[in-house]
This record gives sequence, structure tokens and C-alpha cells, in this order.
Amino acid sequence: GENVEQHPSTLSVQEGDSAVIKCTYSDSASNYFPWYKQELGKGPQLIIDIRSNVGEKKDQRIAVTLNKTAKHFSLHITETQPEDSAVYFCAAWATGGGNKLTFGTGTQLKVEL
Amino acid sequence: NAGVTQTPKFRVLKTGQSMTLLCAQDMNHEYMYWYRQDPGMGLRLIHYSVGEGTTAKGEVPDGYNVSRLKKQNFLLGLESAAPSQTSVYFCASRQTGDTEAFFGQGTRLTVV
Repeated sequence: GENVEQHPSTLSVQEGDSAVIKCTYSDSASNYFPWYKQELGKGPQLIIDIRSNVGEKKDQRIAVTLNKTAKHFSLHITETQPEDSAVYFCAAWATGGGNKLTFGTGTQLKVEL
Repeated sequence: NAGVTQTPKFRVLKTGQSMTLLCAQDMNHEYMYWYRQDPGMGLRLIHYSVGEGTTAKGEVPDGYNVSRLKKQNFLLGLESAAPSQTSVYFCASRQTGDTEAFFGQGTRLTVV
């Protein structure tokens, strides 16, 4: 089955700096890679996703890149703000087979003033 | 439109007790999932359902049972709770053909 590794487990940045979270996956059949943000006391919420036919996707201050050859994908947050503080999860899924998202272990991002 | 609602939000059980966690969604989604979240381990899939009347095992199904008698509800049961089942449980749902999963707010379960 799919295995998703995520690094780092904790990340502390100064407000205004950039943050990068990296994930690797094992199943070459995976073709959909979402990122979820979990605020304290809440369930995860989708913030951005990318499909395997795209190398990069951007939405305002967040962007995701995918290297399908190396089976790496990353989340980039620019101009970080205190409200970006949360736990971020990457995930991988083969949309053509199986119905399950496999999640990484999460990154606790803290944006300090 | 409430989305995905989990009941209860908090619960403390004694070892050996049983309980049922309820997940309800009002989006007419076909797929429903139960995950557990533990520190350093991310979200791990317990059981899932691809439609009313169907269930399937996920990554960590032992000690849990599920039922999907109605499309909008997905129940997670613990027949004999163990301290290892102390966790935060999340339910999620997804529509056929869509990729976004919608999560509930979670149930924090402590087994003492």
C-alpha cells in the first residue's frame, strides 16, 4: 500500500518568512496530492491540491510543487502570518483505484510575531 | 447545511466498556471514512464505506466495527474499549467523482 512520509514534524518561522513542508510517497500509481490544514480543536480542511499531470499550483500565498519522478511534493507558504499557525497534513491517493487517502504524519507550523 | 457532524465531541470510557460514535453528513455523499489521529502518527484509516450498506477495512480496523444503514450516517463502534483506543477520531465524507474530503470536528475519546 501507499506510504507517505512528511518532514519536518515541527516548524517555527518568523512572521513574514516562508515555510516549506516536504512529503514523499511510495506508490507510483498515486496521482492526486492534497494538503490539509488543521486548526486547534477542528477537523482538517483542504487548502490546496495538485494532480500528477501538473508540476506546480499556486493559490495566493500558498503553492504546491510535485516531482513525480522523485515522488516528492512540497507545500510552500510565503509571507507567513500568525493565522497560518496550524498542523498541516499532506496526503496521496490513486484516484483510479482504491478509495482511500493516505496521510503523512503532520507538521506543526508555528508563526512567531 | 451543517456538513459533517460527529457525536459526541468528548467521551471518557472505562476499559471494557462499549460505545458508538455517530457521524452524520447532509451533503448526500457516497463515501464515508473513520480515521484516528494520534501524536506523531497522522491520520490513520480505520474503516470506510463506499455507499449505503457497504463497509470495508482500512489500515487499523482491529477492535472497531462500523455500520452504514443509512446513506447519511456512518457509525463506529467499540465493543470492549482498551486504553490503546484513546485517540481523537475523525469522520470524513466525499462525493463520487470528487476528490475533496470533508471532515467533522472530531471526537476526543479517553479510555481509562
